[in-house]
Amino acid sequence: DAKTTQPPSMDCAEGRAANLPCNHSTISGNEYVYWYRQIHSQGPQYIIHGLKNNETNEMASLIITEDRKSSTLILPHATLRDTAVYYCIASPSYNFNKFYFGSGTKLNVKP
Amino acid sequence: DVKVTQSSRYLVKRTGEKVFLECVQDMDHENMFWYRQDPGLGLRLIYFSYDVKMKEKGDIPEGYSVSREKKERFSLILESASTNQTSMYLCASSLDSVRNTEAFFGQGTRLTVV
Repeated sequence: DAKTTQPPSMDCAEGRAANLPCNHSTISGNEYVYWYRQIHSQGPQYIIHGLKNNETNEMASLIITEDRKSSTLILPHATLRDTAVYYCIASPSYNFNKFYFGSGTKLNVKP
Repeated sequence: DVKVTQSSRYLVKRTGEKVFLECVQDMDHENMFWYRQDPGLGLRLIYFSYDVKMKEKGDIPEGYSVSREKKERFSLILESASTNQTSMYLCASSLDSVRNTEAFFGQGTRLTVV
């Protein structure tokens, strides 16, 4: 499974877009990019995933570069409740859905 | 909504005790997982199961065993609890391996071994 690299922490003003980067330079063609987040004292929560194309859902947008070596999770209007640790994971499509979580990015949304 | 329920939020056990952590999912998912989460180490996979009575070791299976007698239930067993097994334990489930769907997590069990 490809290793992912994320900054340890980021700040964002409430109401602004939060852009969380992730590097996955060794990602293989059959690996999806997943994003999860973990709010303090809760289990991780699925946000979004994609393979090649950009994806959008009610929570966020995922932008994957053309060479697939990096991606950005965008929370369009961050709120205080979005303060959490955000994990970027590369997971192969054929595997038993083993998700390998790294240290993630702690997003601090400030008033 | 998918629900993954872990039997306890907090547990305190004594060294040497046999400990059972229970996890139930209500969406007929094939895959179930047990992770532990420790500060600075992220989530580490202990065991996973892709079908009833089937199990596979994850990255840190030592000191643990699992049981999956029914599709909806996946139990983690600490045969003889030790203080280094004090941790947050997270259960997860996902639909199957073919459709590569997301995993849904329970709220976690914070286990303290004294």
